[in-house]
Amino acid sequence: DAGVTQSPTHLIKTRGQQVTLRCSPKSGHDTVSWYQQALGQGPQFIFQYYEEEERQRGNFPDRFSGHQFPNYSSELNVNALLLGDSALYLCASSLERRENYGYTFGSGTRLTVV
Amino acid sequence: AQSVTQLGSHVSVSEGALVLLRCNYSSSVPPYLFWYVQYPNQGLQLLLKYTSAATLVKGINGFEAEFKKSETSFHLTKPSAHMSDAAEYFCAVGGNTGFQKLVFGTGTRLLVSP
Repeated sequence: DAGVTQSPTHLIKTRGQQVTLRCSPKSGHDTVSWYQQALGQGPQFIFQYYEEEERQRGNFPDRFSGHQFPNYSSELNVNALLLGDSALYLCASSLERRENYGYTFGSGTRLTVV
Repeated sequence: AQSVTQLGSHVSVSEGALVLLRCNYSSSVPPYLFWYVQYPNQGLQLLLKYTSAATLVKGINGFEAEFKKSETSFHLTKPSAHMSDAAEYFCAVGGNTGFQKLVFGTGTRLLVSP
């Protein structure tokens, strides 16, 4: 049973560019959450998608946007990249109707902005 | 608002010694509490979670944690450290209101010496 798959694993971008990160949830999961983990910090919640809609958003600017597709996979888009956007981006999937936070995390995408 | 504080960014133990990683939480609603482990260049793996059932929670790899409401604590312990336990550990808190969002601490790096 495949877990959460994220692509690419590593990415280098230049300031001002745009980037798209992708996430395929664990089989059977219908909800996708995105977290940003800066170096030496804990993950911070960006937003969550369920039924192709953004349900709640953390304290991130509008430069961060996302999408969920009918097959439950998701994309995270970041526009006008800043050096401070360099981080590990983690995707977590879960099943909406399952209680008690059945999160499964992917291995992340390491984004470096130069 | 919810938050967690992890005391000690680094903890060093000898192999075979007791592991104690400290976590205190703040939550305006009954919390769900979690411990995750992160190995280098990997995502987060759930060690254990408290969801208002038994206050002593047993997890994987011999770890356990005790929920103490009076102390607002959820410390992680393991009786005997193994070299393979060396990793970054994150405490996290979530609400029990149905929306699955986690707030993470800044992490504690566990170092295990022979």
